[in-house]
Amino acid sequence: RKEVEQDPGPFNVPEGATVAFNCTYSNSASQSFFWYRQDCRKEPKLLMSVYSSGNEDGRFTAQLNRASQYISLLIRDSKLSDSATYLCAVNMGWNGGYNKLIFGAGTRLAVHP
Amino acid sequence: DAGITQSPRHKVTETGTPVTLRCHQTENHRYMYWYRQDPGHGLRLIHYSYGVKDTDKGEVSDGYSVSRSKTEDFLLTLESATSSQTSVYFCAITPGGGLEQFFGPGTRLTVL
Repeated sequence: RKEVEQDPGPFNVPEGATVAFNCTYSNSASQSFFWYRQDCRKEPKLLMSVYSSGNEDGRFTAQLNRASQYISLLIRDSKLSDSATYLCAVNMGWNGGYNKLIFGAGTRLAVHP
Repeated sequence: DAGITQSPRHKVTETGTPVTLRCHQTENHRYMYWYRQDPGHGLRLIHYSYGVKDTDKGEVSDGYSVSRSKTEDFLLTLESATSSQTSVYFCAITPGGGLEQFFGPGTRLTVL
């Protein structure tokens, strides 16, 4: 089993729709989680950090389910500009010299008119 | 903008040649990382650095070496490039005291 898993998609949704992605993780001791957005041929950009049960920023909500070991990203009122790949990253704890961050392979979102 | 630049941004090289990628940051961050990104895989850590001359291996370090002689520069070297090292390489930093990582613009490397 991979340490961090995401549904690759693509999720094809119309403008205005609400869409949610899940990210499952294997390490039950993980304490911090991150969502990144990556546009085609660009670097990942931090969208949201989650240190407790969840976080909200405008149309974006991240929720953590520790019992089932997954974190979700909810996007409300989707815009064309939300089309991108969304990467989940899970902090696996101190690994000798650094805080080990494991990335999922990403979920692709395509918002259409 | 994380204040990170990478050079070159694109490179095509031949199998067996040495290649060095450069990551440059301007804000004195202690932690720097090199990742590679391939289709179907998440970002995978190659090497990281926690200070000048302090480096260590990540999960996919075979065939790669790094050096950090100055705080601002972290170099990744492929001693003898192979086709399996065709990838997009990202440098990242962690600002002091935090857990988040911020990425540079990437280098697209093709090994023929």
